[in-house]
This record gives sequence, C-alpha cells and structure tokens, in this order.
Amino acid sequence: QSALTQPASVSGSLGQSITISCTGTSSDIGSRNPVSWHQKYPGKAPKLMIYEGWKRPSGVSTRFSGSKSGNTASLTISGLQAEDEADYYCSSYTITSTLVFGTGTKVTVL
Amino acid sequence: QVQLVQSGAEVRKPGASVKVSCKVSGYSLSELALHWVRQAPGKGLEWMGAYDPEEDETIYPEKFQGRVTVTEDTSTDTAYMELGSLSSDDTALYYCATDLGVPSHEYWGQGTLVTVSS
Repeated sequence: QSALTQPASVSGSLGQSITISCTGTSSDIGSRNPVSWHQKYPGKAPKLMIYEGWKRPSGVSTRFSGSKSGNTASLTISGLQAEDEADYYCSSYTITSTLVFGTGTKVTVL
Repeated sequence: QVQLVQSGAEVRKPGASVKVSCKVSGYSLSELALHWVRQAPGKGLEWMGAYDPEEDETIYPEKFQGRVTVTEDTSTDTAYMELGSLSSDDTALYYCATDLGVPSHEYWGQGTLVTVSS
C-alpha cells in the first residue's frame, strides 16, 4: 500500500485561500472509505481537522473545509492565517482495513 | 479527560528490538481502537498498525507484517508496540493514538523517540 500523494508544499498570502490535494486509488479514497485530514506542528502530535471527507470536529475553524471527487480528496484553507503554517496530512482507510497516510504538505504563509 | 502517556526514549543497536508502551487513562482501552504511527526525521506520518476491539483483530500494513506486534493489557489499560530487526531507518518518533478519524475519540500520546545506532 503506497502513501497517498500530496504536493510537498503549498504557500499563500495572509487572507488568501489554498487547496491541498490528496490523490489515492480505487482501493482507498476511491473506495468510499472515510478520508481524514490532520494538522501537525513540529514536535507536536497531529490534530484532526477534517473527518469523513468534509466534516469538522468541534472547535476546528470553519476556514477549514474538505471535499472528495473520485480518487482525490482536497483540503481548502480559506482566509489564511499565520497559525495555519504547519504540515498537513490526509489519510484514508483501505479496502483491506489498513490505514494509509498522505506524503504530507508543508503550508507556508507568506 | 482521556490521556495517553508513552514510555521514554530508547536507544537500540541494529538488529535488536524495542517495545514501546502507551498507558491510557480516562477511558477503557477495551472500548477504543489503538493505533501506532511513526514519523522519521524529516519524513511524513506512517501508520504501523492497530488493534480494533470491535472486530477483535490486529491489522498491520504489509510493510510491517512479521516485524511489528501490537498487544494490549486491558487490566492496566496499557498498549504495547514491539518492533524487531531494527535498522537505522527505524529511527523515528513513535506515537500511539486512539480511534483515528473519530472526533471526540481521537487522542494522541506524546511520542516516544526510538534511536537505532551502532
């Protein structure tokens, strides 16, 4: 099971919107298994930002939204803020019940 | 409040094995799926396996099958991850986490640094 493919880095200016893609296969994202997105700061544990493709846990800013189409999931951060600068990882369960993470995307706020 | 407290940093020689513990408090381990995730220096997150109490089975990705063992002691609410045949590529921060992707049930340990060096 290969890692899901994400762009290595995405950048945007304060207040702008950015979108991070996460491409998998018909065995994971495309098989309608739930997709999650985690935010990770260096030295800190990951934090769940999106689950089941588009749902936000309580306390997560509405600036974060998720979507999915075919084998690709996406995370959009609107109104980019300085504290959004972090690494972001998608993940999906697979048809064999294993979990696979994305390669990770470093978000830089200009 | 749910807390996951992991054991301390470990140093091992190549070829050895390491066992990391994860003590859960504030919830019964028997009601949570317990995952292990690692992050090597400068690398991304990597899922190593999990025990699902609902299915009563442990699942490992193909990459780690035969080399990693996930166990639990529900009497002490402590989970363990043992990784064998260590190489320098296994140098990483190892995390335990509950119910990944389930809001209000997802909690993470503080991480355990495992260093493999001769």
